[in-house]
Amino acid sequence: NAGVTQTPKFQVLKTGQSMTLQCAQDMNHEYMSWYRQDPGMGLRLIHYSVGAGITDQGEVPNGYNVSRSTTEDFPLRLLSAAPSQTSVYFCASSAYGGAEQYFGPGTRLTVT
Amino acid sequence: AQSVTQLGSHVSVSEGALVLLRCNYSSSVPPYLFWYVQYPNQGLQLLLKYTTGATLVKGINGFEAEFKKSETSFHLTKPSAHMSDAAEYFCAVRFTGANSKLTFGKGITLSVRP
Repeated sequence: NAGVTQTPKFQVLKTGQSMTLQCAQDMNHEYMSWYRQDPGMGLRLIHYSVGAGITDQGEVPNGYNVSRSTTEDFPLRLLSAAPSQTSVYFCASSAYGGAEQYFGPGTRLTVT
Repeated sequence: AQSVTQLGSHVSVSEGALVLLRCNYSSSVPPYLFWYVQYPNQGLQLLLKYTTGATLVKGINGFEAEFKKSETSFHLTKPSAHMSDAAEYFCAVRFTGANSKLTFGKGITLSVRP
């Protein structure tokens, strides 16, 4: 099992550009989430999904879109990048709502 | 709303000393509780978790935590710190329910002095 994979590992964007952060898991988990990690802020939930076709907003959803067309994949789209979106992004999955979450290695994004 | 508090942002201990990282949560019902560790430039790894049953939970790398309902706490301890324990530690709370979300504390950086 590869677990949770994320691509790319690093990305630099200019303000206004769009991009998609990829996340995939091979554990057949229903529950997937996207977090951003900023110094002194811990991890904050951006969006999450409880199954294919079902997504919902987390704590900091503005500027981000998600979709879940398959159980395995949960991409995060930045519509128009802003410097405030400079962060490290983590994708996570779990079998169900109360279960342990498995995290990917993260994507470090810089917006200039 | 559910919340989790980790007091302080940085803890420094000597190698061989006791490690104590504090975590308190706010809730009227017992949640699921987790401790995660993050080594530099890596993702988060589960150290231990409490869902139901025994309130003293043992995890990996010699860490353990005790759920105290009366104190709404879930402090992480290790009797003897190793240099390799230097990392950032996150407490997280998740309430029971099919679609409940995980809420993280702000994290504590543990330094271990030789």
